[in-house]
Amino acid sequence: QKEVEQDPGPLSVPEGAIVSLNCTYSNSAFQYFMWYRQYSRKGPELLMYTYSSGNKEDGRFTAQVDKSSKYISLFIRDSQPSDSATYLCAMSATSGTYKYIFGTGTRLKVLA
Amino acid sequence: EAQVTQNPRYLITVTGKKLTVTCSQNMNHEYMSWYRQDPGLGLRQIYYSMNVEVTDKGDVPEGYKVSRKEKRNFPLILESPSPNQTSLYFCASSFSGYGYGYTFGSGTRLTVV
Repeated sequence: QKEVEQDPGPLSVPEGAIVSLNCTYSNSAFQYFMWYRQYSRKGPELLMYTYSSGNKEDGRFTAQVDKSSKYISLFIRDSQPSDSATYLCAMSATSGTYKYIFGTGTRLKVLA
Repeated sequence: EAQVTQNPRYLITVTGKKLTVTCSQNMNHEYMSWYRQDPGLGLRQIYYSMNVEVTDKGDVPEGYKVSRKEKRNFPLILESPSPNQTSLYFCASSFSGYGYGYTFGSGTRLTVV
């Protein structure tokens, strides 16, 4: 079993839809949770990061962490064609190892 | 502009010919890392460095070397490249190893024939 699981998609939605992207993980030591967006032929860029459980909102983006279920989500409201990209979740622990574990990414297509 | 600069962007080489991919950051970050990205496998860490002269193996270090002689630079060295090292490589830096998130470079697409 992989430490981080992420549905590869592709996920196609109409413009204006609410998008839900998810990752599950198995390592209870993970405390930092991040979401990256990667456009084709580009490096990933950090969208959101959260520490431990709870929600964090930034504009149209909301990140949720449920540590009891080992489940994290990224919601995109009023999705736009420019949101079409691959979204990667990433996690790290606070001690023991300086390692980020990445999900394999979900491809999102927002149709105009 | 705060950035991580990798060179070259594209590289085709032959098996066994030593090569170096350079990486430089201008944010005074202590933590730097190299990843390779392969379809279906995602980003896998090759090596990381917590500071000058401090490096450690990631998940897939075989066939790679790194050095960190200056804070801003973290080159990736393939001493004898093989076709299974054909991949998309990313250098990344962070203020800290924990939780601050990475700034990634634009990537180096390497093909070994």
